[in-house]
Amino acid sequence: EPEVTQTPSHQVTQMGQEVILRCVPISNHLYFYWYRQILGQKVEFLVSFYNNEISEKSEIFDDQFSVERPDGSNFTLKIRSTKLEDSAMYFCASSDLPAGLSYEQYFGPGTRLTVT
Amino acid sequence: AQSVAQPEDQVNVAEGNPLTVKCTYSVSGNPYLFWYVQYPNRGLQFLLKYITGDNLVKGSYGFEAEFNKSQTSFHLKKPSALVSDSALYFCAVRDEDTDKLIFGTGTRLQVFP
Repeated sequence: EPEVTQTPSHQVTQMGQEVILRCVPISNHLYFYWYRQILGQKVEFLVSFYNNEISEKSEIFDDQFSVERPDGSNFTLKIRSTKLEDSAMYFCASSDLPAGLSYEQYFGPGTRLTVT
Repeated sequence: AQSVAQPEDQVNVAEGNPLTVKCTYSVSGNPYLFWYVQYPNRGLQFLLKYITGDNLVKGSYGFEAEFNKSQTSFHLKKPSALVSDSALYFCAVRDEDTDKLIFGTGTRLQVFP
């Protein structure tokens, strides 16, 4: 069964450094998402991406964040200057149609980002 | 604004007994509801969804959920729990204006042998 994959599984970085989290969505999917889960809290939407542009972003997704689909298979989340409060589990998800058209989002295993 | 609530942080049940994990929702239009499960060190796995149709929805691993419009609930159920069902369960609703998912706070299910 096809799966969403994410690398690395755990990233430790110093405050102020740039990080890139990588995701490989399911190959025939067209809609891509990033969510995050701060330890002990609920899963929160960050951004959705379709047709090489951002469809929607949350208020969390400020100018420090960016997303890119550089080569038709990878989907990346970049944080330019990490802050302590960026420490969280970051989930990538993909779907072949928007969730509201009866298709669910498939999630990757997550990248745990620790900012020190 | 759309939201879901999971009133229980943890549910404990003995193996072989039925289990229920509760979820209530708040939407202004038609609800699109989902259940996901998260095992330790794993991502969110889709269990089932309600979009339209029968109020009883069947999903993966023997789980089902009952959509109740009058009570605005979408409780997850399983007739006979397994120890391997122990995990974190999330209810989610699709935002009506976009396709993002809005998650509840999660319920930890512990099944004891």
